[in-house]
Amino acid sequence: GQSLEQPSEVTAVEGAIVQINCTYQTSGFYGLSWYQQHDGGAPTFLSYNALDGLEETGRFSSFLSRSDSYGYLLLQELQMKDSASYFCPEGDSNYQLIWGAGTKLIIKP
Amino acid sequence: NAGVTQTPKFQVLKTGQSMTLQCAQDMNHNSMYWYRQDPGMGLRLIYYSASEGTTDKGEVPNGYNVSRLNKREFSLRLESAAPSQTSVYFCASSLKTTGSSYEQYFGPGTRLTVT
Repeated sequence: GQSLEQPSEVTAVEGAIVQINCTYQTSGFYGLSWYQQHDGGAPTFLSYNALDGLEETGRFSSFLSRSDSYGYLLLQELQMKDSASYFCPEGDSNYQLIWGAGTKLIIKP
Repeated sequence: NAGVTQTPKFQVLKTGQSMTLQCAQDMNHNSMYWYRQDPGMGLRLIYYSASEGTTDKGEVPNGYNVSRLNKREFSLRLESAAPSQTSVYFCASSLKTTGSSYEQYFGPGTRLTVT
């Protein structure tokens, strides 16, 4: 079966660091993606991890541990514009993305 | 480049009416997708097209049909709209290569209300 778990909501302070966790349980797992979606907007791609380890892109980093069926997105130097929902869809063997409900990130000044 | 475009942006239908949502991409991508997103939820795949000339059902295909008109265009049709189809519809595209297929580019969405 396929099951993605993320916290429904995370609150952080502007300028701080926040980690959004994602656990999955699936057979045929091919990798974990991260997408950002602002209210009323479309999802935009942030990163993709197929192998264990950390991928860094500017202020955002994504980590994957296949042995633990776990990944996270790390956002540094938080800005108000980072307030959005974050999704960690998993990729399957047919190049499809399976989406969970996502995490709403609230940033306070 | 415009990326992925969708029309219309908003639509209100009465139960039983039909309509077609249009999607086009100018990135020469092989794969195209139609998703729906209900409030507070993630995206659910309706149909996808791995390449020109092929279409396959996703997680929630009932009540919908699709056409991959050419490499650029992928349309979604509701033959007889129902209130349960009230949702935001997103079209997306991706290159079909290992890894790259998981990087999908989305259109701005169509907000559909069925009364």
